[in-house]
Amino acid sequence: GQQLNQSPQSMFIQEGEDVSMNCTSSSIFNTWLWYKQEPGEGPVLLIALYKAGELTSNGRLTAQFGITRKDSFLNISASIPSDVGIYFCAGQSNFGNEKLTFGTGTRLTIIP
Amino acid sequence: DSGVTQTPKHLITATGQRVTLRCSPRSGDLSVYWYQQSLDQGLQFLIQYYNGEERAKGNILERFSAQQFPDLHSELNLSSLELGDSALYFCASSVMSQYNEQFFGPGTRLTVL
Repeated sequence: GQQLNQSPQSMFIQEGEDVSMNCTSSSIFNTWLWYKQEPGEGPVLLIALYKAGELTSNGRLTAQFGITRKDSFLNISASIPSDVGIYFCAGQSNFGNEKLTFGTGTRLTIIP
Repeated sequence: DSGVTQTPKHLITATGQRVTLRCSPRSGDLSVYWYQQSLDQGLQFLIQYYNGEERAKGNILERFSAQQFPDLHSELNLSSLELGDSALYFCASSVMSQYNEQFFGPGTRLTVL
């Protein structure tokens, strides 16, 4: 099945550092969603983006919907230990085709 | 807590067997989605139901089927199980509007021995 290209695959950072990750697709999406998954849990929705160029924040998290509608970016500022997990982007085409196509994930580890 | 519930949390069974996974969507959500998460394929869409009717199908095997009941809970049936069916199975739900955020349940971990 299709997966979106997400990079980096993994990140090892120190507490307090900022984090950036991105997601690219060969096809256009009308909605981008960012999820976080912790071991043994389901994905938790972090941010939803609905318009090309849109920049949305949720606390220390900021995500952007790429202007081409083929990419999206997630930034985490001043990382803390509870940010550890796997971050997934997901694209959704349009109303009438609501399935999510997920990225390959970025595993975030915080070095003490 | 997303409000989506799934049972059981873990399931261990043998090849050739049949299992049923259950999902209850968030209150008010009419649409239910099933996804499979495996190490090699990542999170993959299987099937979507909306208000009791099948709405979309992804890469779902013929051995797998699902349904959504009048009370909106959904069941995913997996039959003639193979080793490769071992995975996490997630259910998600949404209200089905222009802003169609999907909220995921905690998942069922299926192990086929």
